[in-house]
Amino acid sequence: NAGVMQNPRHLVRRRGQEARLRCSPMKGHSHVYWYRQLPEEGLKFMVYLQKENIIDESGMPKERFSAEFPKEGPSILRIQQVVRGDSAAYFCASSPSRGARGEYNEQFFGPGTRLTVL
Amino acid sequence: QQQVKQSPQSLIVQKGGISIINCAYENTAFDYFPWYQQFPGKGPALLIAIRPDVSEKKEGRFTISFNKSAKQFSLHIMDSQPGDSATYFCAASRTNAGGTSYGKLTFGQGTILTVHP
Repeated sequence: NAGVMQNPRHLVRRRGQEARLRCSPMKGHSHVYWYRQLPEEGLKFMVYLQKENIIDESGMPKERFSAEFPKEGPSILRIQQVVRGDSAAYFCASSPSRGARGEYNEQFFGPGTRLTVL
Repeated sequence: QQQVKQSPQSLIVQKGGISIINCAYENTAFDYFPWYQQFPGKGPALLIAIRPDVSEKKEGRFTISFNKSAKQFSLHIMDSQPGDSATYFCAASRTNAGGTSYGKLTFGQGTILTVHP
């Protein structure tokens, strides 16, 4: 069973360009979370998605950032008109659907995409 | 109310020693407390996790101690090895089925652990 896959692993963009980060969850997982890690800092929650639905986007910047998790294909985190402050590692995590009694299932993290904005 | 504070920022331990990392949280709605290990260039990997209905959980050399009244929890690594050298993150989450914010993890700032041979 392959783990969470993210691509590209490294992405370099110039200011003003668009960045698209892709995340393929583990097989059978229908919950996807995106986190951002700035240099020398912990991970910060950005958005939580299920198939075709954004459940919680309270951590997403109000402008330039968007995320989707379509019925088919990977989850996409899109950053428009990137600025130097967007340089960070972006991690995706997935978890399976809740258990029959609503119990929580742990999140499995991908290797991350390291975005550098020149 | 969503913060998780972690200390120390860095820790140096001799091989065979005990590494102790502490975390404190504010939000009493949190009910799931995992610890993650991250190596350079890699994603975080779950080490061990605890829920507030127990005060301690042990898995191999790793133990979580949990103090609900003090809103604190800690990771103990016994017989620390050079291979344990990594960044460790504590986290907290609200996982009850009600509400839409459940599941997202709030992370501490991280502790860089170095174990000297």
